[in-house]
Amino acid sequence: QVQLVQSGAEVKKPGSSVKVSCMASGGTLNSYAISWVRQAPGQGLEWLGGIIPMFGTPSYAQTFQGRVTITADEATGATHLDLTRLTSEDTAVYYCARASSQYDILTPLDKWGQGTLVTVSS
Amino acid sequence: QSVLTQPPSVSGAPGQRVTISCTGSNSDIGAGYDVHWYQQLPGTAPKLLIYGNTTRPSGVPDRFSGSRSGSSASLAITGLQSEDEAYYYCQSYDSSLRALYVFGTGTKVTVL
Repeated sequence: QVQLVQSGAEVKKPGSSVKVSCMASGGTLNSYAISWVRQAPGQGLEWLGGIIPMFGTPSYAQTFQGRVTITADEATGATHLDLTRLTSEDTAVYYCARASSQYDILTPLDKWGQGTLVTVSS
Repeated sequence: QSVLTQPPSVSGAPGQRVTISCTGSNSDIGAGYDVHWYQQLPGTAPKLLIYGNTTRPSGVPDRFSGSRSGSSASLAITGLQSEDEAYYYCQSYDSSLRALYVFGTGTKVTVL
């Protein structure tokens, strides 16, 4: 049973960048789309972007274009989210989540990581 | 970024039936994209509850059901139980290229 395991909590200064990682335990993610979804305190879910590691071309939400980079390392099976020019409004729990079907990003998110809290504060 | 509208809260007594609406537009649900529903318990990651508008993953009780019509969808919980108290989010896809995935604004279900 595949589980998604994320890197630990981060505290960052405004204007800096953060990198959050996601790995699969008990399986591989290379042919499945991985999305990154965030949730600000007390708020709803917001999609930042996604990638199918085997294909390597990410898709981003317009809101984050120019600030977000999603990469995948097929050798390690890890997927990474890089977010730059952080502000206090980027304080949120960041989740990675796997699409349910191989090779298709437009399928439901059936497995989620545990979440990584990113706090942006001066 | 949320473009799918849900009521902020619904409530019901144990055993009652509650429904949650999810209203979209011609660029998402109305474009024919599937709707999925997630349940989020406090302090945990969302969990897939309904996919493909009406299908329950293995292990999800049959008191949860989904439907879709036009640019809207709904989630029904029949025989409400205390453990159903959680946030519920709908999700679909967006053909406008703003974002591939769009989520609903979220609904808190309270069991009275």
